[in-house]
Amino acid sequence: ETGVTQSPTHLIKTRGQQVTLRCSSQSGHNTVSWYQQALGQGPQFIFQYYREEENGRGNFPPRFSGLQFPNYSSELNVNALELDDSALYLCASSLDGRAGGELFFGEGSRLTVL
Amino acid sequence: GEDVEQSLFLSVREGDSSVINCTYTDSSSTYLYWYKQEPGAGLQLLTYIFSNMDMKQDQRLTVLLNKKDKHLSLRIADTQTGDSAIYFCALRGAAGNKLTFGGGTRVLVKP
Repeated sequence: ETGVTQSPTHLIKTRGQQVTLRCSSQSGHNTVSWYQQALGQGPQFIFQYYREEENGRGNFPPRFSGLQFPNYSSELNVNALELDDSALYLCASSLDGRAGGELFFGEGSRLTVL
Repeated sequence: GEDVEQSLFLSVREGDSSVINCTYTDSSSTYLYWYKQEPGAGLQLLTYIFSNMDMKQDQRLTVLLNKKDKHLSLRIADTQTGDSAIYFCALRGAAGNKLTFGGGTRVLVKP
């Protein structure tokens, strides 16, 4: 039990739709990162939020966007869904942006795009 | 960019030791991690090592870091059937704001 919770756990969308995924970080953690894990692959970094500001982004198009709220929870939004967006989306929680060791993941939101 | 490589599969008998290997290219990595993923689940943090360390032991887990060869390994002593899973190594780069993962090693423990 990491204290990182994600919702929904599973969802199905069709191409062109939009999706919002949510994450509550572990108590005391002010940094949230999002990762995409395609089937059979390692997770890929999407972006990170530290104290409500984006402070790093991976190689993902602008239709992937996010927010972090004052309570440090976070949302990942994906517009104009494509079939290749089908994946497990993982949220990770840590303390203090770029420093420190521990990085805990939630159980993920599995998105299927038809 | 960073590159992290792992072998795809490891088979081990229950009670034996498992060694999972990882090689990487980014010499500026600060923290190096091992995560475990069971089917349909998220990533469980097993252990991590800071880049100025050579070894870290935590109960049945031993992490070895060879910075010269850019090689990280995870040894699991007395491997149990519950250790069957996919294991990922991951590196935090100098910028500190992301992890770069390997492709994962599937470990199968046979009774």
